[in-house]
Amino acid sequence: DAGITQSPRHKVTETGTPVTLRCHQTENHRYMYWYRQDPGHGLRLIHYSYGVKDTDKGEVSDGYSVSRSKTEDFLLTLESATSSQTSVYFCAIGEGAGTQYFGPGTRLTVL
Amino acid sequence: GDSVTQMEGPVTLSEEAFLTINCTYTATGYPSLFWYVQYPGEGLQLLLKATKADDKGSNKGFEATYRKETTSFHLEKGSVQVSDSAVYFCALITPGAGSYQLTFGKGTKLSVIP
Repeated sequence: DAGITQSPRHKVTETGTPVTLRCHQTENHRYMYWYRQDPGHGLRLIHYSYGVKDTDKGEVSDGYSVSRSKTEDFLLTLESATSSQTSVYFCAIGEGAGTQYFGPGTRLTVL
Repeated sequence: GDSVTQMEGPVTLSEEAFLTINCTYTATGYPSLFWYVQYPGEGLQLLLKATKADDKGSNKGFEATYRKETTSFHLEKGSVQVSDSAVYFCALITPGAGSYQLTFGKGTKLSVIP
């Protein structure tokens, strides 16, 4: 299995609070991704990174920001969590058009 | 934009039955195609992939053939087992799209009963 970890694995928070999710890889892949998974929607891209300090938006980026200060770490921040951001968040890593490898996911509940 | 359509679930089969999960796509370029599987409580794992027309991906008894003429990548297995119960996602990446993001179908939940 690709070396990807996510933390925390579960989090419950309240509306309006900031939340940061962390993705850590040991594979030295260039590309890192944050997806969210919701029933009836499959997985949708939030943000991605193509190198240290190089990030861009995906299709559902509103309300989220990201940072990548090191190759191995990709942070997803919800500046002010809302109930619509209750979801399961997956980090993935890859090299261009090849296979992407997924982390175990973080289940976030916003009350 | 690119999109993937896969058959709605849930699908319930008896053990040793034949499985087909249909997947069709639209893409602006020449995509690579993937099937991912998600077991309960876990992340997604690559099941198989194909990168050009007429390629057949296979793994663990599952197969899918890249059909450019019908823009399809149907997943098949000749004899399913209880351990195959999971959610299956069809997905594509279009090279040259910059982000190399995966575009997913909505997933098909498969339940196999003894």
